[in-house]
Amino acid sequence: QSALTQPASVSGSPGQSITISCTGTSSDVGRYNYVSWYQQYPGKAPKLMISEVSNRPSGVSNRFSGSKSGNTASLTISGLQAEDEADYYCSSYTSSSTWVFGGGTKLTVL
Amino acid sequence: QVTLRESGPALVKPTQTLTLTCTFSGFSLSTSGMCMSWIRQPPGKALEWLARIDWDDDKYYSTSLKTRLTISKDTSKNQVVLTMTNMDPVDTATYYCVRIPRSGSGSYTYFDYWGQGTLVTVSS
Repeated sequence: QSALTQPASVSGSPGQSITISCTGTSSDVGRYNYVSWYQQYPGKAPKLMISEVSNRPSGVSNRFSGSKSGNTASLTISGLQAEDEADYYCSSYTSSSTWVFGGGTKLTVL
Repeated sequence: QVTLRESGPALVKPTQTLTLTCTFSGFSLSTSGMCMSWIRQPPGKALEWLARIDWDDDKYYSTSLKTRLTISKDTSKNQVVLTMTNMDPVDTATYYCVRIPRSGSGSYTYFDYWGQGTLVTVSS
């Protein structure tokens, strides 16, 4: 199972919006609405930000939103804040009853 | 309050078997619909899913690592154990224990609680 494809890095200024893409295949991202997104600060465990493409867990800012089209899912962060600077990973359940992650995207807030 | 804590050796030698224990609280793995997994992350690299165990003892493994992995549970102790045989330096990583809830759609699709992780270094 190949990893999902994410851009290595994205950047934006405070207040702007950014989008991180996550491309898979018809066996994972394209097959199910089971894409989730995780935020990870250096030296810390990942934190769930979005589940099942677009569901935001309690306590996660509504500045975070998710969507999907075909084999590509996206995470959008609006009103960018300094605290959003972190690594972001997408994940998808697969047709093999396993999970696959993306390579991770480093978000820099300029 | 849900908590998960990983424990195990910080250093193992090549070819040895790694045994990691996840001790959790705030929920029971004997509850219908509860599942748990192990995920690892090599230093500076991406996350990799390893294995899953369900409340009914169903088990699932990474396709590429399934011959080396065994996941088990002890519900009386609120523990999940992962063993990985024939350790190699490329297995150096932080290993995370995670919980998988049953989603509103009735499926098991994401990881809602994570342990702090335990760094395992493989070196002679």
